Amino acid sequence: EDQVTQSPEALRLQEGESSSLNCSYTVSGLRGLFWYRQDPGKGPEFLFTLYSAGEEKEKERLKATLTKKESFLHITAPKPEDSATYLCAVQLTGFQKLVFGTGTRLLVSP
Amino acid sequence: DAGVIQSPRHEVTEMGQEVTLRCKPISGHDYLFWYRQTMMRGLELLIYFNNNVPIDDSGMPEDRFSAKMPNASFSTLKIQPSEPRDSAVYFCASSWGLSRTGGPETQYFGPGTRLLVL
Repeated sequence: EDQVTQSPEALRLQEGESSSLNCSYTVSGLRGLFWYRQDPGKGPEFLFTLYSAGEEKEKERLKATLTKKESFLHITAPKPEDSATYLCAVQLTGFQKLVFGTGTRLLVSP
Repeated sequence: DAGVIQSPRHEVTEMGQEVTLRCKPISGHDYLFWYRQTMMRGLELLIYFNNNVPIDDSGMPEDRFSAKMPNASFSTLKIQPSEPRDSAVYFCASSWGLSRTGGPETQYFGPGTRLLVL
């Protein structure tokens, strides 16, 4: 069965304290892996798409990486405004739909 | 671009009543998705359409749920009769099709409808 697992479930950081979020997956065939950010009361907001192992994407303090079994979202020197739930999703080969993980709730304290 | 538009943003209803959620996808997108999000189960795909045709409704919980897409710019998700366990946030998302760029297609989400069934 296709599965996406995110860890940790929740993470509390001090402002400036860098860390990483993990998304591991077991799927029959990976077409792409997506990272979304979700703020309370809002819809998921697209961050990155990763297509193949070894690929990296960056945006401000965020960097996403992909291996054959997992993806990491690295947050460098986070700020309070980075507090949100980060969702990982995989798109399977030949399918349009996404399978989502349950997310990591990030809280960055000033 | 206005993004994906959903209405209403909040809905409170009583058990047994009919609920209709509405979605306008991003213009030009040919895929539309309905998701449900709860604390217990996270974000679950209910149904998706391609060019207004339902492709996969395996996530629809039961016959009380139905979805339609009468044209490229409008879709509805209906629950009849509603039950308290249907309380959740319902999201609509849209994307380009698989063939457009050859790569994985990004889904863009609306703001959601928060449904509470009493």
